[in-house]
Amino acid sequence: QQQVKQSPQSLIVQKGGISIINCAYENTAFDYFPWYQQFPGKGPALLIAIRPDVSEKKEGRFTISFNKSAKQFSLHIMDSQPGDSATYFCAASGATNKLIFGTGTLLAVQP
Amino acid sequence: GAGVSQSPRYKVAKRGQDVALRCDPISGHVSLFWYQQALGQGPEFLTYFQNEAQLDKSGLPSDRFFAERPEGSVSTLKIQRTQQEDSAVYLCASSRATGLAGGVRGDTQYFGPGTRLTVL
Repeated sequence: QQQVKQSPQSLIVQKGGISIINCAYENTAFDYFPWYQQFPGKGPALLIAIRPDVSEKKEGRFTISFNKSAKQFSLHIMDSQPGDSATYFCAASGATNKLIFGTGTLLAVQP
Repeated sequence: GAGVSQSPRYKVAKRGQDVALRCDPISGHVSLFWYQQALGQGPEFLTYFQNEAQLDKSGLPSDRFFAERPEGSVSTLKIQRTQQEDSAVYLCASSRATGLAGGVRGDTQYFGPGTRLTVL
């Protein structure tokens, strides 16, 4: 019940295209859903986050869509750039704020 | 410093050796988390501190793992009698608030660069 499932495992997108990464969770006690970006040799960095009282949040080229009834959320990267090439992790947390991470998506944006 | 720092960045240990990994959180951050990240996987929770109190150690894989934060700032993760399966990147994160007792739910966690531990 603590798992967060993430797909796809890897993704190749052309420059200017849309990257879409999906996650699903089981634990209905989760109430915070962040996305982290990680470059090789670096720690994860918060990209964008959402709470279940809204269905969508947009920050620049990054959008989270949230479906509470389906227990699913997704990250959309518009106008993908080569600099967006990284590993992306979805995560979820509840009362204690400890993050439960997905398995990650390796994104490659081709120029 | 401006962010979370960890040292050493790389550690090679022979099987059976003890290691100590250090985390310097952002100044004033109440919460401190340790995560373990195996190659090609997402980080997995190890333990959580609120100031100097270790409130959750449910993720520590065995009693060979021990963490402390005696003065509520710097934290050390110690692994005794290291095994090959302990090889991973150990990440530390801090956040300003706590989620417990009516605190802030979902406060941003800031991660350090990690310590890559290789056990031979």
